[in-house]
Amino acid sequence: KNQVEQSPQSLIILEGKNCTLQCNYTVSPFSNLRWYKQDTGRGPVSLTIMTFSENTKSNGRYTATLDADTKQSSLHITASQLSDSASYICVVSTTSGGSYIPTFGRGTSLIVHP
Amino acid sequence: DSGVTQTPKHLITATGQRVTLRCSPRSGDLSVYWYQQSLDQGLQFLIQYYNGEERAKGNILERFSAQQFPDLHSELNLSSLELGDSALYFCASSALLAETQYFGPGTRLTVL
Repeated sequence: KNQVEQSPQSLIILEGKNCTLQCNYTVSPFSNLRWYKQDTGRGPVSLTIMTFSENTKSNGRYTATLDADTKQSSLHITASQLSDSASYICVVSTTSGGSYIPTFGRGTSLIVHP
Repeated sequence: DSGVTQTPKHLITATGQRVTLRCSPRSGDLSVYWYQQSLDQGLQFLIQYYNGEERAKGNILERFSAQQFPDLHSELNLSSLELGDSALYFCASSALLAETQYFGPGTRLTVL
């Protein structure tokens, strides 16, 4: 069964600090891995998309890494801001008949305190 | 603003009823996706359309159906509603199947 596990479930950090969120998956065959940021009550916003051959992808203060051998990904947030408080969701897609079927993690809830 | 619109924003209805949720994708996007987000299940993929054709199905119940029209807008029909169908329903669109998806603001469905 395709699964995506994220850790930690929740995280509290001080403004200006860095943090790293983890994502482990068992999705097969692997197509791509995405990280989303979701503010409470709003739609997710895409941060990064990585395919099998990509190890690192950055988007401003967000850097995602992918190790396809160990089936692990991480999202590193640098110099956190209050606006980074949100849920961060890891999504791994598999292919089927030319389409991409996503499996979602439950997300990591990040709270940034001043 | 992602450019994806969803109506209505909120919907309150009773068990056994039928509702229709509407989604307009970003201009030029051919692919539309529907997702359900509940507190206990997280985000779940329901169904995907590309240029009017169904391309993939996820955990969509038989009581649910969807379609994408020639003008590329999409509708999600939920029938014989149950209390457990209460959730946020998101629509997303992308230009092509494997590209970045842009999510709409969602429709919050409450079944009483």
